[in-house]
Amino acid sequence: QKEVEQNSGPLSVPEGAIASLNCTYSDRGSQSFFWYRQYSGKSPELIMFIYSNGDKEDGRFTAQLNKASQYVSLLIRDSQPSDSATYLCAVGINQAGTALIFGKGTTLSVSS
Amino acid sequence: EPEVTQTPSHQVTQMGQEVILRCVPISNHLYFYWYRQILGQKVEFLVSFYNNEISEKSEIFDDQFSVERPDGSNFTLKIRSTKLEDSAMYFCASSGSALDTQYFGPGTRLTVL
Repeated sequence: QKEVEQNSGPLSVPEGAIASLNCTYSDRGSQSFFWYRQYSGKSPELIMFIYSNGDKEDGRFTAQLNKASQYVSLLIRDSQPSDSATYLCAVGINQAGTALIFGKGTTLSVSS
Repeated sequence: EPEVTQTPSHQVTQMGQEVILRCVPISNHLYFYWYRQILGQKVEFLVSFYNNEISEKSEIFDDQFSVERPDGSNFTLKIRSTKLEDSAMYFCASSGSALDTQYFGPGTRLTVL
């Protein structure tokens, strides 16, 4: 059974702080990794994707991938109250990458 | 900006009835997907569709489910005989290629009574 694990939280940070979200996955052959944000009652919205080991930065967001440790993380710098949401880690589970396996999500709460 | 659209936004049906959920993927995308999310639980993959055939499906996608691309724009999910446990939010997604980002529609909330 291919699994994606996330700490469900809630993760609470003050406005302006760095929020660190983590994810581990079980399928060593996975090649594509995504972070989605989901507000309550809404659909997943892409934040970032990463395919290669290392860091990838986009504005306030940095995704980190370590395939040897089967670990993906998302850092949110200068957290804002509008960042309060559930963050979903998703992994493409086969060579074609067509199916995404999602973690349960980490709920982030940013207080002003 | 192009987006995935889904209709209806909310569908209420009686157990045992057939339902069809509709999606219009992003126009130049070639890969289409259905996912579901039971309230309070994680998003679960159902099926992927490419070149007019199913490319992958999960254990959830049993004989009660089917997908179709009836024309050049729509992509549908049919549940033949709904059960109470089919109550969930159903998301359609599309991507330009197999490893590319999947963009999600707003979802259809299915309630089976």
